[in-house]
Amino acid sequence: DAGVIQSPRHEVTEMGQEVTLRCKPISGHDYLFWYRQTMMRGLELLIYFNNNVPIDDSGMPEDRFSAKMPNASFSTLKIQPSEPRDSAVYFCASSPKLAGVPAYGNEQFFGPGTRLTVL
Amino acid sequence: RKEVEQDPGPFNVPEGATVAFNCTYSNSASQSFFWYRQDCRKEPKLLMSVYSSGNEDGRFTAQLNRASQYISLLIRDSKLSDSATYLCVVANQGGKLIFGQGTELSVKP
Repeated sequence: DAGVIQSPRHEVTEMGQEVTLRCKPISGHDYLFWYRQTMMRGLELLIYFNNNVPIDDSGMPEDRFSAKMPNASFSTLKIQPSEPRDSAVYFCASSPKLAGVPAYGNEQFFGPGTRLTVL
Repeated sequence: RKEVEQDPGPFNVPEGATVAFNCTYSNSASQSFFWYRQDCRKEPKLLMSVYSSGNEDGRFTAQLNRASQYISLLIRDSKLSDSATYLCVVANQGGKLIFGQGTELSVKP
């Protein structure tokens, strides 16, 4: 398997523009996660899906952020309008199980990330 | 107070040294514990899970003290290739992973 695939790898845009980040999870994984990493706040969970259904979006910073998972092999994270404080690395991750209960198979596999710069 | 706290380092050690990282977590109901490794400008990758009885994987040993809400990672005979940021990770009851800020390790020749 190719692992989690994210695109684009780098995105530079101007304030006010719409940004769409894309993710293809590992085939067969039921859970998909979107994270944001900054120097100040570290790695933060934004939202996660189970079987394409959003389960917890409490980490989404504000209404400018939205995420969808139209099918098991594709998800998007959209920022509209973008602001300079959105500059960060955005990671997508997938796992076959949820990490809440110690169990084999609950490892989260991360994609290479999208480095977003909003000018 | 952050849910997961780590010493950010950096830890600068010579090859062959033994180095220990510590981590504390605030939610006593946390269910699962992990150490992830993140190389510079790369994605985090699972290093090892941490079990209540403690567990070892080659040169790496992880310990968990639920009473003190404390997790540790010991690296023996450190290699240049161990240079990375080590992330302490705790899963809550809902399965969400909470990441510490990471401890940076630099192993020098």
